[in-house]
Amino acid sequence: AAGVIQSPRHLIKEKRETATLKCYPIPRHDTVYWYQQGPGQDPQFLISFYEKMQSDKGSIPDRFSAQQFSDYHSELNMSSLELGDSALYFCASSLAAESNEQFFGPGTRLTVL
Amino acid sequence: TQLLEQSPQFLSIQEGENLTVYCNSSSVFSSLQWYRQEPGEGPVLLVTVVTGGEVKKLKRLTFQFGDARKDSSLHITAAQTGDTGLYLCAGFFYNNNDMRFGAGTRLTVKP
Repeated sequence: AAGVIQSPRHLIKEKRETATLKCYPIPRHDTVYWYQQGPGQDPQFLISFYEKMQSDKGSIPDRFSAQQFSDYHSELNMSSLELGDSALYFCASSLAAESNEQFFGPGTRLTVL
Repeated sequence: TQLLEQSPQFLSIQEGENLTVYCNSSSVFSSLQWYRQEPGEGPVLLVTVVTGGEVKKLKRLTFQFGDARKDSSLHITAAQTGDTGLYLCAGFFYNNNDMRFGAGTRLTVKP
């Protein structure tokens, strides 16, 4: 069965650079969630979208923005990168009409040097 | 402070032993999920519990949701080395649309 796809899987950036992470949800899923997971920590919710509209906002820094496009894929844009942004970034998707079960992608490992 | 408390944080056992991991909150969950995560990979959904008192079995894994829907447990029977990983509980609370994770239980099963 098709799963959530994230790209790139690994990304290395310098401080103050920008990064764009992409997420392709499971086909038919209409809701996308972004999480940040630091080393040894649990995933922290950043932001979610339902039907291309922002549905909920967590601990997402002002330097980050995200959107969901007409094909339901989502992009997380990160600017003015800081060393502390180094983490695993996960995208999850769900089908709102069925349940709130979230299925996670493999993640993007971002390293800021 | 974590909204969801998981215990124990670390657990190291021998193959064949049984174990139980706990997830607790002072608030009522509208639903709760258990995930297993391998290093560098995304969490994999194991089960979702919704009804108070619900028990679900997944092979050697038994998941229980407390009657008051404030706690849950994961019991593994006859653990195998392949069960090694990080087990995360995650829950939705009423009046809150985002899912919150517990800190996780890092399980090591030794041969």
